[in-house]
Amino acid sequence: GENVEQHPSTLSVQEGDSAVIKCTYSDSASNYFPWYKQELGKRPQLIIDIRSNVGEKKDQRIAVTLNKTAKHFSLHITETQPEDSAVYFCAATGWGSSASKIIFGSGTRLSIRP
Amino acid sequence: KAGVTQTPRYLIKTRGQQVTLSCSPISGHRSVSWYQQTPGQGLQFLFEYFSETQRNKGNFPGRFSGRQFSNSRSEMNVSTLELGDSALYLCASTLGGLDEQYFGPGTRLTVT
Repeated sequence: GENVEQHPSTLSVQEGDSAVIKCTYSDSASNYFPWYKQELGKRPQLIIDIRSNVGEKKDQRIAVTLNKTAKHFSLHITETQPEDSAVYFCAATGWGSSASKIIFGSGTRLSIRP
Repeated sequence: KAGVTQTPRYLIKTRGQQVTLSCSPISGHRSVSWYQQTPGQGLQFLFEYFSETQRNKGNFPGRFSGRQFSNSRSEMNVSTLELGDSALYLCASTLGGLDEQYFGPGTRLTVT
């Protein structure tokens, strides 16, 4: 079946450095790729998303890139700060034969070292 | 606009019992999805309801069921609870298309 693989499962970076999280999806019909951030004890919240007609999208320190040919998409966080510490989930969604389908990656626990 | 709400926030049940969880979506949202979140398995999709119809289902046993009412509120039911059902159950709502999912705070279910 369709799946989304996310790597790494844990990531520790020095404050101020960059962090990159990568996802690979299998369903070629996927055309919407959101990223969610879940802080400890809180609900997941969308931080950035990208649609298949775009190769890259930026929002301040966060950027997402998409390679549809390779079925890869990545989250880039620059100048990391302590408040970036959280679990990040990627997801791939698209329309199936009759319904939307969304598949989440397994999550990356990002820790920012002071 | 009020966010997604879920009740109850915490539940403790014993094996073999059943449980019903409730989710109220953001006003105007017609799609409600349910997820099970556990430390080892991440976010697992349970099912999605749109306009009172289940239009997508994940790989969970038939003990997990749901429904959606005409006001878009949704309930999830788990029968014959097992220890492995202990998890955070999240619901999320969207307008119905490929849009941002707004998550509720979750219901923490503990099965003893």
